[in-house]
Amino acid sequence: DAGVIQSPRHEVTEMGQEVTLRCKPISGHDYLFWYRQTMMRGLELLIYFNNNVPIDDSGMPEDRFSAKMPNASFSTLKIQPSEPRDSAVYFCASSSAGTGFSKAFFGQGTRLTVV
Amino acid sequence: GENVEQHPSTLSVQEGDSAVIKCTYSDSASNYFPWYKQELGKRPQLIIDIRSNVGEKKDQRIAVTLNKTAKHFSLHITETQPEDSAVYFCAASKEGSSNTGKLIFGQGTTLQVKP
Repeated sequence: DAGVIQSPRHEVTEMGQEVTLRCKPISGHDYLFWYRQTMMRGLELLIYFNNNVPIDDSGMPEDRFSAKMPNASFSTLKIQPSEPRDSAVYFCASSSAGTGFSKAFFGQGTRLTVV
Repeated sequence: GENVEQHPSTLSVQEGDSAVIKCTYSDSASNYFPWYKQELGKRPQLIIDIRSNVGEKKDQRIAVTLNKTAKHFSLHITETQPEDSAVYFCAASKEGSSNTGKLIFGQGTTLQVKP
């Protein structure tokens, strides 16, 4: 298995632009998580899905952030409009109820820079 | 809400010495405690985990201990090597509850192993 795949690996955009981050979880995993990592705040859970349904989005910072999971093999995190303070590394992770709900495997991350 | 405190924030040891990182969690219902290692510019990777029905778990040079009464858990690395240098994160979650899968991370410990 290729593991969790994220794209793009790096994204540089101007303030005000829309940004879409993409994630393909490990095949067969039924949980998908979006995390944001910054020096100041560490690893923050933004939202997670179970069987494509959002379970907890309490970590989404504001309405500019939205996430979707249209099917079991794809999820997006969208920021519209983007702001410089959104600059961070965004990780997607997945896990399986069969191997332990919380045993999450992370993707390589997307490094987002908003200028 | 659930909170995980991690100490120290930085740790420097001589190669061959032991390293200990400690975490405290706030929610007594937490029952799953993983540790992740993140090398510079890479994804967090699960290195060891423990569930609340166990007090200690070992895997070669690493071990994790759990004190449920005090709500403490610790990572122990023996015979440290330069390749152990990384940021280590502890986390806690409540498996089997409505928040199954929701990992709360500590702030991380930067471990430096000097040759």
